[in-house]
Amino acid sequence: AQSVAQPEDQVNVAEGNPLTVKCTYSVSGNPYLFWYVQYPNRGLQFLLKYITGDNLVKGSYGFEAEFNKSQTSFHLKKPSALVSDSALYFCAVRRVEGGYNKLIFGAGTRLAVHP
Amino acid sequence: NAGVMQNPRHLVRRRGQEARLRCSPMKGHSHVYWYRQLPEEGLKFMVYLQKENIIDESGMPKERFSAEFPKEGPSILRIQQVVRGDSAAYFCASSLTSGGQETQYFGPGTRLLVL
Repeated sequence: AQSVAQPEDQVNVAEGNPLTVKCTYSVSGNPYLFWYVQYPNRGLQFLLKYITGDNLVKGSYGFEAEFNKSQTSFHLKKPSALVSDSALYFCAVRRVEGGYNKLIFGAGTRLAVHP
Repeated sequence: NAGVMQNPRHLVRRRGQEARLRCSPMKGHSHVYWYRQLPEEGLKFMVYLQKENIIDESGMPKERFSAEFPKEGPSILRIQQVVRGDSAAYFCASSLTSGGQETQYFGPGTRLLVL
C-alpha cells in the first residue's frame, strides 16, 4: 500500500533562515512525488513535483525539493523563509506503474515563519 | 484562464438533508478527482471520473455518496441523508490527462457543515 509520512506537525522558522519540511513515502515501484501548499480557507496550490531525472526539483516561490530514493524521502526546502510562506504544506505520492491516478497525501505540516 | 471552480464555497445542511457539490474543471481538462479533508487531516481520495464514466470510486463510502461527470456541465458530488460526520472540506481537482506524471490542479473547496 502507498503511504506518505510528514513527521512534523509544525515547523517554526525565523524569517530569512532556511527551512525544511520533511516527507517520506512508501510505495511499491517508482513514485511520482508532489508538494502542495494550502493557505487558510483556500484550495491546494501546486508547488513542484518529481517525475524522473534530476533529484533536485525546483518549484514555485523559491521552493525546491530533493528526491532521495535510498531514504525514500522528498524533503521540501527553501534557502530563505518569508513570513508569507506560513501555510500548511502537503506531500503526496502516486505510483508510476499500474495506472493509479489517485494522490496519497500526508497529514500536512504547518509552517510558521516568524518575523 | 480560469482554474478549477467549485460551488458553493460553504454549505450548511441539517442532518438528513442532501448536499450537492459542484466542480467545473480547468478548461480542456476531462479528468476529475474528488478528495475529502477532515479537520486537521490530510486529503483522502474519494473518486476519479472522466466524462460520463466513473473510473475509480474506491475511496467513496458505499452508501449515501455518489458522483457523476456528465457530458455537459460540472461534476457533481452528491451526499444523501447527511450526518454530522460528513462535515468536512471537499476538494475537486482536475488534470489534462490520466498519466501518472500529470499535475492535479485543485479548486478552492466546498466546506460542508452538518448541523
